[in-house]
Amino acid sequence: GDSVTQMEGPVTLSEEAFLTINCTYTATGYPSLFWYVQYPGEGLQLLLKATKADDKGSNKGFEATYRKETTSFHLEKGSVQVSDSAVYFCALSDRDDYKLSFGAGTTVTVRA
Amino acid sequence: DTGVSQNPRHKITKRGQNVTFRCDPISEHNRLYWYRQTLGQGPEFLTYFQNEAQLEKSRLLSDRFSAERPKGSFSTLEIQRTEQGDSAMYLCASSLGLAEQFFGPGTRLTVL
Repeated sequence: GDSVTQMEGPVTLSEEAFLTINCTYTATGYPSLFWYVQYPGEGLQLLLKATKADDKGSNKGFEATYRKETTSFHLEKGSVQVSDSAVYFCALSDRDDYKLSFGAGTTVTVRA
Repeated sequence: DTGVSQNPRHKITKRGQNVTFRCDPISEHNRLYWYRQTLGQGPEFLTYFQNEAQLEKSRLLSDRFSAERPKGSFSTLEIQRTEQGDSAMYLCASSLGLAEQFFGPGTRLTVL
């Protein structure tokens, strides 16, 4: 079945550091790929998405590119802020029914 | 607030008791999803509805679990004869067709 593997955390960074969270997937067909974020005390929010190979999703300074050849969707941000501290989830959905399959999540803490 | 709402936010129960959770989706969203998230893991798909029809159930949804969406609006998830292994965060999400899923804040269940 479909599955997502993402980099284990926790990750601790200083402000303005570069952030990368690795995500690889296994799926039949051509899934859509997502990054969700969960800030402390809040629900899951969609951060960005990509629906086909070579698409780049971007939002709030975060970017991820759908790489079909390496089955990856790594999340990057060039300069993190304390407010980026959260749990980040990589996810995919089968095009047919759009139920989501999530990775285990990566906790990111940014220190001032 | 017109987002997805879930009630109660927290539920503590004793093993063997029945519990029921409610999800109110965003108005006019015709798809409604239930997920379960245990500590340190990503959400896992349980079931989803399109309008009032339950279209798919995960193998995670044992016979003790039942979900309904009687009028295609709010949904309930009932767990009968709760077990300690049922302790988790239960998440609801809704979408308009195959578009982005919006998540509620979740109901945290603790089974003693």
